[in-house]
Amino acid sequence: EIVMTQSPATLSVSPGERATLSCRASQSVSGNLAWYQQKPGQAPRLLIYGASTRATVTPARFSGSGSGTEFTLTISSLQSEDFAVYSCQQYNNWPRTFGQGTKVEIK
Amino acid sequence: EVQLLESGGGLVQPGGSLRLSCAASGFTFSSDAMSWVRQAPGKGLEWVSVISGSGGSEHHADSVKGRFTISRDNSKNTLYLQMNSLRAEDTAVYYCAKDVTEYVGASEIWGQGTMVTVSS
Repeated sequence: EIVMTQSPATLSVSPGERATLSCRASQSVSGNLAWYQQKPGQAPRLLIYGASTRATVTPARFSGSGSGTEFTLTISSLQSEDFAVYSCQQYNNWPRTFGQGTKVEIK
Repeated sequence: EVQLLESGGGLVQPGGSLRLSCAASGFTFSSDAMSWVRQAPGKGLEWVSVISGSGGSEHHADSVKGRFTISRDNSKNTLYLQMNSLRAEDTAVYYCAKDVTEYVGASEIWGQGTMVTVSS
């Protein structure tokens, strides 16, 4: 099973600042990596798939990069609605696996 | 509007069974793979199972292999998860989700979730 490790566990950021979240895979997942956003009491929402392709309703301030084992989600200028938990998921190998999540909180 | 609506959750005793359903609307259900993902209280997301659009291929997490069965009825636009031999650690919100395409295994559409509690 591929283990997905996210860092940091918690990121404290001020509104308007840039946030950079990391996701590392225990072995290569090529570009088969997705990022999700989840707010309390809500279902996850797909932000990025294919490591860098924004989902249909994902704002342009969200960008994804990386391949192989190292991936990054960048939020260029944090808005109030962006404070949430972000999870990465690989879908290159069975079983699909998620990272443990990074909580982005208001500084 | 694309929509997924789960049902069937509830309280069940350890060792018991439960069947979850997920009613889909607003897209061609038979075209895309569908997954179940769960989230234990206060924990992260855990992928559970996936089934291809035709229903001919499925995969499960090791934690549920041999106990859970995923299936679909494309004539009813409905996805199912039959859960047997339930354990306390199966307690979670269960989400159904639609893959982006048959070949892109990211989950682009999610239901609101249904809570399963395994307790005596």
